[in-house]
Amino acid sequence: DVKVTQSSRYLVKRTGEKVFLECVQDMDHENMFWYRQDPGLGLRLIYFSYDVKMKEKGDIPEGYSVSREKKERFSLILESASTNQTSMYLCASSLAGTGGYEQYFGPGTRLTVT
Amino acid sequence: GENVEQHPSTLSVQEGDSAVIKCTYSDSASNYFPWYKQELGKRPQLIIDIRSNVGEKKDQRIAVTLNKTAKHFSLHITETQPEDSAVYFCAASNSGRYSGGGADGLTFGKGTHLIIQP
Repeated sequence: DVKVTQSSRYLVKRTGEKVFLECVQDMDHENMFWYRQDPGLGLRLIYFSYDVKMKEKGDIPEGYSVSREKKERFSLILESASTNQTSMYLCASSLAGTGGYEQYFGPGTRLTVT
Repeated sequence: GENVEQHPSTLSVQEGDSAVIKCTYSDSASNYFPWYKQELGKRPQLIIDIRSNVGEKKDQRIAVTLNKTAKHFSLHITETQPEDSAVYFCAASNSGRYSGGGADGLTFGKGTHLIIQP
């Protein structure tokens, strides 16, 4: 059974702090993704990675960066947190291959920036 | 980039009736179209998906149809039950764009809150 875990369920940070959100998957998936979910806006893609050390910008990358040093781990970094980054952050992973494969989501991290 | 529109935003149906949720997409290169169900406080979970070489797919009470020409796909739930109450998201992506088959991330619709009335 696929397991995607995230380092924290709830996080409270102050404006200007550097924030690290960690995601780990145990199914040897090539692809990993970071989304944020806001009421009325659905899920929006921040960054994704299809291989170790590879990263691609999603639809809303501004204010974020990512790191993938190992296949199973994908980190989202907020260099200087701002109040508009208060949101639910969801990590996901999937197999690679043409035709598309199911993305498995982690439980989410609810980040509040004060 | 891809843009996915989803309608309606809220859908209330009587238990036992059918529910239909519709989505349109803008990028003709998109070839993978999943539907996710998200219950309150839980993570999204895949309920059905369809690829661009197929026009329809069914899994028990759930079916999805795809019209590539119109860039339109729909979710059909028959014989609705109370446990179907949730938020449903459609999504689209261009899979296999990158070396080794790495996929684009998903572009999601804004979601439909499905309410099953007893």
